[in-house]
Amino acid sequence: DTAVSQTPKYLVTQMGNDKSIKCEQNLGHDTMYWYKQDSKKFLKIMFSYNNKELIINETVPNRFSPKSPDKAHLNLHINSLELGDSAVYFCASSPSTGGRETQYFGPGTRLLVL
Amino acid sequence: GENVEQHPSTLSVQEGDSAVIKCTYSDSASNYFPWYKQELGKRPQLIIDIRSNVGEKKDQRIAVTLNKTAKHFSLHITETQPEDSAVYFCAASVTGGFKTIFGAGTRLFVKA
Repeated sequence: DTAVSQTPKYLVTQMGNDKSIKCEQNLGHDTMYWYKQDSKKFLKIMFSYNNKELIINETVPNRFSPKSPDKAHLNLHINSLELGDSAVYFCASSPSTGGRETQYFGPGTRLLVL
Repeated sequence: GENVEQHPSTLSVQEGDSAVIKCTYSDSASNYFPWYKQELGKRPQLIIDIRSNVGEKKDQRIAVTLNKTAKHFSLHITETQPEDSAVYFCAASVTGGFKTIFGAGTRLFVKA
């Protein structure tokens, strides 16, 4: 019954590695997002996708590459991880029919770069 | 660019007291203002929202007010309980748009 799910829940890795986070929603929403929440809890949008197409890229370094194989999935690949990438990454989705107003968040992926 | 300022960053109240969190937005086109609650280690979840054609909305112990002229909106929690302790985020967006701008969050502590 999980509406928005993410894997993995925790990710601990070394600087310079490449890692991926997966997100899936079963709500039938057209729009999906990636947010980064830093240690001060600030929640900042990274990407917005609508029907598998990139709509918004909020000046995120190109080491971050989202990919949407279909409108129910939005994955995030990060190359050459840096210490500053340590954060909680939240996937979210919203319904077009509701004007994309309410964000339904996944449980988050806690990334720690050592 | 668009910005949402939120105050205070931390708020500590005694159980049973009221708590008020205030936000200001910059984008005049914003017409949807949700509030999210994030408990420790959990995901943010919508608790209440207000649209620009409404000045006030209430749901049990929580209420939101909106002053569109001043670009201010506020969250009011009455009769606070320990389970209200969490981080609260205000946000602003344009209906049909693809971006929600969040405030920096308010960490609310309710002391029993």
